[in-house]
Amino acid sequence: EPEVTQTPSHQVTQMGQEVILRCVPISNHLYFYWYRQILGQKVEFLVSFYNNEISEKSEIFDDQFSVERPDGSNFTLKIRSTKLEDSAMYFCASSEGQGARRGTEAFFGQGTRLTVV
Amino acid sequence: RKEVEQDPGPFNVPEGATVAFNCTYSNSASQSFFWYRQDCRKEPKLLMSVYSSGNEDGRFTAQLNRASQYISLLIRDSKLSDSATYLCAVNAWDYKLSFGAGTTVTVRA
Repeated sequence: EPEVTQTPSHQVTQMGQEVILRCVPISNHLYFYWYRQILGQKVEFLVSFYNNEISEKSEIFDDQFSVERPDGSNFTLKIRSTKLEDSAMYFCASSEGQGARRGTEAFFGQGTRLTVV
Repeated sequence: RKEVEQDPGPFNVPEGATVAFNCTYSNSASQSFFWYRQDCRKEPKLLMSVYSSGNEDGRFTAQLNRASQYISLLIRDSKLSDSATYLCAVNAWDYKLSFGAGTTVTVRA
């Protein structure tokens, strides 16, 4: 069964350092997302990406964050200068479509646990 | 008012029991509805989409009530393996899923 894969599974970084989280979405999916979940809290939307550009972003996704699809398979989230409060589980997701039609279900990767020290 | 609200539980039920819980959403323009299952510190896994007519997948039944703006999930014949947090997710005419904080279900032997 096709799945979304993320690397690394766990990343520890010092405050102020840059991190890049990597994702390989499901191959025939066209919409890509990043979500995060701070420990004990709900899953929060960060950004969606379609047709090589950001289609929507949340207030959390400020100038410290960027996304890129550097090639035909990878989708990355970069945090330029990490803060302690960036510590969370980051989930990549992808979907075939978008909106209210069937086939728009989002499938999530196993996550990257980011710890900022 | 929160976009998506869920009763956090926990719902503690014996094996074989039926358990049901709801999720309310505030945006009347919401169009797509989903139930995800999340095990401790793992990714959300899609359990089922929720369609207007309601739908069933094995022991799981989902319903949508647009008038009252809630969706429901019913689990019949609970198994120990059903113990998890169930996340409600809602999508309006945009790209993001809005998640509830989850309902914890614990099935005991």
